[in-house]
Amino acid sequence: SSELTQDPAVSVALGQTVRITCQGDSLRDYYASWYQQKSGQAPQLLVYAKNNRPSWIPDRFSGSRSGNTASLTITGAQAEDEADYYCHSRDKSDDHVVFGGGTKLTVL
Amino acid sequence: QVQLQESGPGLVKPSETLSLTCTISGGSIGSFYWNWIRQSPGKGLEWIGDINSGWITKYNPSLKSRVTISLDTSKNQFSLNLNSVTAADTAMYYCARRVEMGIYDAVDIWGQGTKVTVSS
Repeated sequence: SSELTQDPAVSVALGQTVRITCQGDSLRDYYASWYQQKSGQAPQLLVYAKNNRPSWIPDRFSGSRSGNTASLTITGAQAEDEADYYCHSRDKSDDHVVFGGGTKLTVL
Repeated sequence: QVQLQESGPGLVKPSETLSLTCTISGGSIGSFYWNWIRQSPGKGLEWIGDINSGWITKYNPSLKSRVTISLDTSKNQFSLNLNSVTAADTAMYYCARRVEMGIYDAVDIWGQGTKVTVSS
């Protein structure tokens, strides 16, 4: 089965824009979904499909895809955005679910 | 709204079977995929497997030989059995609902998680 690769850690200055990426062959066939996990909490869905958000997710979170790379962009990062972020997709070859290794976002 | 709640023992002895149940409230089994996902301490998310309303299961190849996921529609529950556990199976275990819509997936509902420790 395929893998999804994320940078382990990324930092951003308060109010600036940051992009978190996820690479994998499966992303050529499937859109990624993105999840935010704050310390001690369960993950929550942030972005899915082409660029859809649950109604309670702020519009500063957006998703995109190019080739085998999916990106989560946070426009105007807030202190409360400091968390771990995971991408997720499906593997076309065996129809299994795959998660990226996660990216720890620090807001400076 | 739909909520998920995991239940089961927090401590399991090595070589024994880990058994967890997820209760679905506020909704039905429907046309969704019901997943188990775990997270070892300080690590990332690992998909264990899932089951759908047709009782069709899919498992992570790395765990397939030890995993069974089942569904009880009368109780609106699904369950995880993981046998021959070792310390490496110590983790937070989440049950979750996943939507499959052609070229995208979304795990839109998560349980709060239950911590399982494997130790004698």
